[in-house]
Amino acid sequence: QITLEESGPSLVKPTQTLTLTCTFSGFSLNSRGVGVGWIRQPPGKALEWLSVIFWDDEKRYSPSLKTRLTITKDTSKNQVVLTMTNMDPMDTATYFCAHRPSCVGGNCHSWGWFDPWGQGTLVTVSS
Amino acid sequence: SYELIQPPSVSVSPGQTASITCSGDNLGDKFTYWYQQKPGQSPVLVIYQDSRRPSGIPERFSGSNSGNTATLTITGPQAMDDADYFCQAWDSDAVVFGGGTKLTVL
Repeated sequence: QITLEESGPSLVKPTQTLTLTCTFSGFSLNSRGVGVGWIRQPPGKALEWLSVIFWDDEKRYSPSLKTRLTITKDTSKNQVVLTMTNMDPMDTATYFCAHRPSCVGGNCHSWGWFDPWGQGTLVTVSS
Repeated sequence: SYELIQPPSVSVSPGQTASITCSGDNLGDKFTYWYQQKPGQSPVLVIYQDSRRPSGIPERFSGSNSGNTATLTITGPQAMDDADYFCQAWDSDAVVFGGGTKLTVL
């Protein structure tokens, strides 16, 4: 059974850097084709994709946020860490991490769905 | 940047058929994925690779994708299907989500 859990601060101040950790079980990020993604959702609004990291340490970022995001993995701890710099009240949202299943053939870095998702963690940006 | 457009809301009576569309340039050339999200819960995958159902998803959920439009169809929706639905695709190595559709089962 695959599970993921997000952790991090519930409150950050404007201009600060947010660091979120996704701790997962039931799969390995060493397995070919596997990925872990981050997605956020402002209250009452749509899902917004942020980033994904793959088994081979390839990374992809949202074009609109790429200058503020860094994603890393620690396979020994089964963790993926996302940092977002220069936080703004508009970044207030629930942040989810999710498993991207292993792909077979094709472009594994531009393919696939997210399943399952963690329960999400609400981050509020306020002074 | 690539956009996926969904209707904000769809209403349907039990016993009818609900169709939720997702539109994007040449979307039919890409795989589309669909998620269901109920209030206070995380999204759940209901359709992958345009039309495939994950284990545990009822047969009343189906999907199609052609031209510029992908469609999630719920045949004989039940009250438990009352939720938000989001489509997702990849474009130029980036994930894109639609704006979401609130399905109301009357």
